[in-house]
Amino acid sequence: DQQVKQNSPSLSVQEGRISILNCDYTNSMFDYFLWYKKYPAEGPTFLISISSIKDKNEDGRFTVFLNKSAKHLSLHIVPSQPGDSAVYFCAASAQTSYDKVIFGPGTSLSVIP
Amino acid sequence: ETGVTQTPRHLVMGMTNKKSLKCEQHLGHNAMYWYKQSAKKPLELMFVYNFKEQTENNSVPSRFSPECPNSSHLFLHLHTLQPEDSALYLCASRDRDPPNSPLHFGNGTRLTVT
Repeated sequence: DQQVKQNSPSLSVQEGRISILNCDYTNSMFDYFLWYKKYPAEGPTFLISISSIKDKNEDGRFTVFLNKSAKHLSLHIVPSQPGDSAVYFCAASAQTSYDKVIFGPGTSLSVIP
Repeated sequence: ETGVTQTPRHLVMGMTNKKSLKCEQHLGHNAMYWYKQSAKKPLELMFVYNFKEQTENNSVPSRFSPECPNSSHLFLHLHTLQPEDSALYLCASRDRDPPNSPLHFGNGTRLTVT
């Protein structure tokens, strides 16, 4: 049973518009959440994270929102650029073991010029 | 060399072969990880090493045998694999201080078992 879910396998967005990638989790023990980005033939790279004590974290064009009561987080990319086309993985971990990072299946984002 | 380097990038092996995957990190991190990514499935944690000591074995079959001779190098020894073991094997490292610091991944080894 997947503890981290990304229900949209793919997403297409026009360049300049907002991309919203969603993630849901089931384990209430998770208290730290991360987003990774992966280009073909490369490993995932860390993008942005958020602790459960916050509901928003922003880094340039990227903002992550956390709704703990709904066990839901989202990644907003504004404005979207063609170079943002990649697979985005949501990941979660708990204070009991930050070594055990649980990943979602990923969402493939295509930004159309 | 910087970051996390994995070799080889691609590997094709028969079910009776023995091979090894290598990972080296140049980031001064003290924890190293093996992840497996099968088609259409999330990344699965296989093994964790902290300061060269294995601290996690995520119910991985014994045909996968990890080795961590020092905090910069990690190996995954493979023997008598099955076709369903074909996948992308990713190595990662991180510094455990702060405890929730992110993983840094290599580019992976694409393994095909014939």
